[in-house]
Amino acid sequence: DGGITQSPKYLFRKEGQNVTLSCEQNLNHDAMYWYRQDPGQGLRLIYYSQIVNDFQKGDIAEGYSVSREKKESFPLTVTSAQKNPTAFYLCASSPKGLTSSYNSPLHFGNGTRLTVT
Amino acid sequence: SQKIEQNSEALNIQEGKTATLTCNYTNYSPAYLQWYRQDPGRGPVFLLLIRENEKEKRKERLKVTFDTTLKQSLFHITASQPADSATYLCAMGYTGGFKTIFGAGTRLFVKA
Repeated sequence: DGGITQSPKYLFRKEGQNVTLSCEQNLNHDAMYWYRQDPGQGLRLIYYSQIVNDFQKGDIAEGYSVSREKKESFPLTVTSAQKNPTAFYLCASSPKGLTSSYNSPLHFGNGTRLTVT
Repeated sequence: SQKIEQNSEALNIQEGKTATLTCNYTNYSPAYLQWYRQDPGRGPVFLLLIRENEKEKRKERLKVTFDTTLKQSLFHITASQPADSATYLCAMGYTGGFKTIFGAGTRLFVKA
């Protein structure tokens, strides 16, 4: 079955440590995204990538970094510079890339819940 | 900046009734609106998309409307079932843009 796999489902870290969240897709989608979800707020875009070896900052990129070395993979690193990292992180993909339809729906993974103490 | 609002209060309805969820947006009209379902601890799942030149879209028991005058989309679930209980997210996007803007979602509870 095609889909998006996020791992781990739960992650606990001490303040001051960097942590990397994994996201892998086998849908052959060009575009991939990272969102953060907090209670009572809409999903907020952290980073997105339209094509391999290219990515752009979203609305709340500060304290985060990404890489897109392979089409299937888009890992997110939460650095110690992120002031409030505890949240539910969602990775998504869409066929939407440089040549695809602009209104393609997003396919989401089942998220990683990060708790930093 | 563009903003999308959904009723933050949970909606409680009886099984068999029609659930109606509201999504309002401000400023520029989006090129399309999408609706997603999200279960606790899971990622959102796409349900329906409606474009700015469409008034209504249906899929089985689901119906979405798009009123550019009222700047509003309504999402209806007819003959609701307890299994429909979830959070429903509204999202909008613009022509040529790669960003999809999400509302905070409305929690729906369907009682048997």
